[in-house]
Amino acid sequence: GNSVTQMEGPVTLSEEAFLTINCTYTATGYPSLFWYVQYPGEGLQLLLKATKADDKGSNKGFEATYRKETTSFHLEKGSVQVSDSAVYFCALKAGGFKTIFGAGTRLFVKA
Amino acid sequence: SAVISQKPSRDICQRGTSLTIQCQVDSQVTMMFWYRQQPGQSLTLIATANQGSEATYESGFVIDKFPISRPNLTFSTLTVSNMSPEDSSIYLCSVERSGGYNEQFFGPGTRLTVL
Repeated sequence: GNSVTQMEGPVTLSEEAFLTINCTYTATGYPSLFWYVQYPGEGLQLLLKATKADDKGSNKGFEATYRKETTSFHLEKGSVQVSDSAVYFCALKAGGFKTIFGAGTRLFVKA
Repeated sequence: SAVISQKPSRDICQRGTSLTIQCQVDSQVTMMFWYRQQPGQSLTLIATANQGSEATYESGFVIDKFPISRPNLTFSTLTVSNMSPEDSSIYLCSVERSGGYNEQFFGPGTRLTVL
């Protein structure tokens, strides 16, 4: 079945550090891939998405590239801020109704 | 985009009682989803609610415990029945963006504590 595996957290970085959160997936066909972010006390919100191989999704300085050959969709940001502290969820949707979410990776950014 | 509100935002309940959570969307949507998120955990889909039909429940969730109503295209309720401390969790309402985009919008969640 379809699945998403993302790196365990928490990830703790200093402000302005480079961020990578790894995400790999298993799916039949050609899924759409997403990164969602959940700030403390809030629901999830879409951060970025990619719908086909080699697409790059980007938003708020974050980016991720849909790599079909490695079945990956790693999230990166060149310089994190304290306000980026949140939980990040990788997700996929491959037809049907149900979106598959990863376990989430908590990011702490220190000033 | 869709703006989703949930009521209540949080509640503390006694075991054995029931709580109904409301979800209101600012636009008409076909499918609404109810998730549970336990502290520090990922999302677990409880059920999918389509207007005009019975909700479809995921494995491990049953209608008697989590009855769902979907009276129109902008509103749904989830009831957590006969609560126990194990039901303490965040309950999230979500809708899928129309037009085949596949991304989802989420409400702010209802934080439930059962004593």
